[in-house]
Amino acid sequence: GAVVSQHPSWVICKSGTSVKIECRSLDFQATTMFWYRQFPKQSLMLMATSNEGSKATYEQGVEKDKFLINHASLTLSTLTVTSAHPEDSSFYICSARVDNEQFFGPGTRLTVL
Amino acid sequence: LAKTTQPISMDSYEGQEVNITCSHNNIATNDYITWYQQFPSQGPRFIIQGYKTKVTNEVASLFIPADRKSSTLSLPRVSLSDTAVYYCLVVVNGQNFVFGPGTRLSVLP
Repeated sequence: GAVVSQHPSWVICKSGTSVKIECRSLDFQATTMFWYRQFPKQSLMLMATSNEGSKATYEQGVEKDKFLINHASLTLSTLTVTSAHPEDSSFYICSARVDNEQFFGPGTRLTVL
Repeated sequence: LAKTTQPISMDSYEGQEVNITCSHNNIATNDYITWYQQFPSQGPRFIIQGYKTKVTNEVASLFIPADRKSSTLSLPRVSLSDTAVYYCLVVVNGQNFVFGPGTRLSVLP
């Protein structure tokens, strides 16, 4: 199956700083990628849909100015958590769609101190 | 969007067959049913996908009745390493992969 990678795997940052997470499709091109957030013991929550060459579509309740998404190429989407706070600590997962299947990255654990 | 309902948790023993049923009463004509497995601190992993009747691959089978309002994931002879959370999703026209709460399967020795 298609492979999606994320970088970094985990990151610890101070409150008020910004953190960028990269999502790459390694062996295919992805015009659409998705960003999810998952809190402990909870399900994945879709944050936004990232479209190559255009603005991302955010789910209701997700602040677009806080979670900046850039999908500048067919193999890379980035999520920047701006002015991070402890409540932003979570597991962030990206995915890319191929036909009716969705392939997920390994996730990025963000801890904001 | 089609909403899914699954049992919150299930227990099983090694070597047993496990069946997890998902309800999706308002599934639409073009929707597919997809199951994912997730281990702690990892991204979900695709298990199986189907549209109707029965689909089988090397790890699982998926049974979908004619009305498609439910589906059952069948895991044959589970092992300890199958302990994970299993999610049932209804995929709408290849978009809108919305996750429900999932089923936490615990396989006991």
